Amino acid sequence: NAGVMQNPRHLVRRRGQEARLRCSPMKGHSHVYWYRQLPEEGLKFMVYLQKENIIDESGMPKERFSAEFPKEGPSILRIQQVVRGDSAAYFCASSSTVNTEAFFGQGTRLTVV
Amino acid sequence: KNEVEQSPQNLTAQEGEFITINCSYSVGISALHWLQQHPGGGIVSLFMLSSGKKKHGRLIATINIQEKHSSLHITASHPRDSAVYICAVRDPNTGNQFYFGTGTSLTVIP
Repeated sequence: NAGVMQNPRHLVRRRGQEARLRCSPMKGHSHVYWYRQLPEEGLKFMVYLQKENIIDESGMPKERFSAEFPKEGPSILRIQQVVRGDSAAYFCASSSTVNTEAFFGQGTRLTVV
Repeated sequence: KNEVEQSPQNLTAQEGEFITINCSYSVGISALHWLQQHPGGGIVSLFMLSSGKKKHGRLIATINIQEKHSSLHITASHPRDSAVYICAVRDPNTGNQFYFGTGTSLTVIP
């Protein structure tokens, strides 16, 4: 049973481009959480999704950021028109229910140049 | 004020020393997690606790729900234990999202 898979591990984008980050949860997990870790800062919650539904997006910036978790396929975190301040490590975690242990992916390190 | 406070922020120890990292939280929780992050690496979940104490190898985690406090202990520390240790709590009042401490950076010197 593979763990939470995130890809790519490293992503370089020029300012103004789009970044797409993928998270495949553990098998049987239908709850996905995205977190951002800015340089020299702690992890911050961004969004919580279940299959086909956004449950809580209170941590997402209002513009340029969106997330989805379709019925089939991985969860996608999309950042449009990236800026230097978007450079960070983006982690996702998954769990089978809201009260069971969550497992984290290796993260995607986004660098905007 | 952060929902989760960790101490110390930085810790240097000699190999073999007993290490304690503390975590205090201010929200109601459904569970508390201790996570480990190596430089440039991913995050590994060490423990999930909702009460009492858990042990895995040289690692021990305890939680006191009444005092809203948890500790992570490392016995017979080793240089490979050098990492950032993060305390995280799940708040059932906010969809069980995680709140994270800022982490404790541990360096174990041979």
